[in-house]
Amino acid sequence: KNQVEQSPQSLIILEGKNCTLQCNYTVSPFSNLRWYKQDTGRGPVSLTIMTFSENTKSNGRYTATLDADTKQSSLHITASQLSDSASYICVVIFFYNTDKLIFGTGTRLQVFP
Amino acid sequence: GAVVSQHPSRVICKSGTSVKIECRSLDFQATTMFWYRQFPKKSLMLMATSNEGSKATYEQGVEKDKFLINHASLTLSTLTVTSAHPEDSSFYICSARDTGGLVGNEQFFGPGTRLTVL
Repeated sequence: KNQVEQSPQSLIILEGKNCTLQCNYTVSPFSNLRWYKQDTGRGPVSLTIMTFSENTKSNGRYTATLDADTKQSSLHITASQLSDSASYICVVIFFYNTDKLIFGTGTRLQVFP
Repeated sequence: GAVVSQHPSRVICKSGTSVKIECRSLDFQATTMFWYRQFPKKSLMLMATSNEGSKATYEQGVEKDKFLINHASLTLSTLTVTSAHPEDSSFYICSARDTGGLVGNEQFFGPGTRLTVL
């Protein structure tokens, strides 16, 4: 069964600190893996997109890694800001149907001053 | 980047009425748009795939007569919740597929519509 699981479910950190979010998936084969940020009451916004051949992708303070062998991905946030408070969703796209997005359970991040 | 808008952002209606939600791709043409539903603290659930000029494809368990989808142009898809009831209250998000993106078939999401049925 194609599944995407994320951990932790929720995370609280202080402003300025770094954090790492985890994503484990069983989707096979997959086309690409994406990390999205979703603010409360808003739609998801893409942070990074990685194909199966890529190991890392950065977007400002966000760095995603991908290990296709172990089927794991992580999203590292550096020097967190209050505006980073949001849900972060890992999405894996199925290879044989790239319209089929398999959503992770999400990690709710709260950054406090 | 590709921008997708939704209107309205929030709507409150009485039980039994119908509500129409619009999804527009602002700077690209989208032959395919998608409608998702999201419950509090849950992830997005695909309701249907909307193809321009043809009938929508609904996911299992989604009532097509309840959630009417029309994709009349390459930049506009609408979702009409007919005879809405309180259990239809949810956050509805659309996305549009940009086949010309760097990674083919990337979906860009709208900001969502919060529907509350009293």
